[in-house]
Amino acid sequence: SQELEQSPQSLIVQEGKNLTINCTSSKTLYGLYWYKQKYGEGLIFLMMLQKGGEEKSHEKITAKLDEKKQQSSLHITASQPSHAGIYLCGADVNAGNMLTFGGGTRLMVKP
Amino acid sequence: EAGVAQSPRYKIIEKRQSVAFWCNPISGHATLYWYQQILGQGPKLLIQFQNNGVVDDSQLPKDRFSAERLKGVDSTLKIQPAKLEDSAVYLCASSSLRQGARGYTFGSGTRLTVV
Repeated sequence: SQELEQSPQSLIVQEGKNLTINCTSSKTLYGLYWYKQKYGEGLIFLMMLQKGGEEKSHEKITAKLDEKKQQSSLHITASQPSHAGIYLCGADVNAGNMLTFGGGTRLMVKP
Repeated sequence: EAGVAQSPRYKIIEKRQSVAFWCNPISGHATLYWYQQILGQGPKLLIQFQNNGVVDDSQLPKDRFSAERLKGVDSTLKIQPAKLEDSAVYLCASSSLRQGARGYTFGSGTRLTVV
């Protein structure tokens, strides 16, 4: 079974709307990483969360980590077309040096 | 600081042909990773190197895939012979020993199409 489950798999929102993407791990999390990927390109690092209850923000994107639930959420406020892409969560489940990724959430923002 | 370099950017081959991808990590990064990302899915780790040694290759289809990092710097991933299901983006990432998972830097990837 998948170690990391992301939901939803895809999302279409109207520009200006808020949205949330979730990532749930079946294993203990030693670190949770959010990346963004444009179609056919490499992954761009967004944020890393390590401690339960931790919350980080960058511009209009906020990520939270619920360690007990082994879950993280990524929230985008007032979405813009530039937010479109694939959002991937990656987890360090081996306490150190390798990331396992979820299946990704494909976001489209309609102008 | 230069990023992770990958080449070629795109490759189209016929099934049963061979193909090789090249990755040059960030200078000083001891750990190098190859991931396969099939369209619509997340990246899946194929192989992890630390310097020139293999740390994890449990998900590498060894009957057709091979990878090497002879001098602990550049790495090559080869597929021989290719199958249709190998069509994917092949991503290389590197990190330092000190940073581990926290220090991942990805290359732009090589998009392989097998026809």
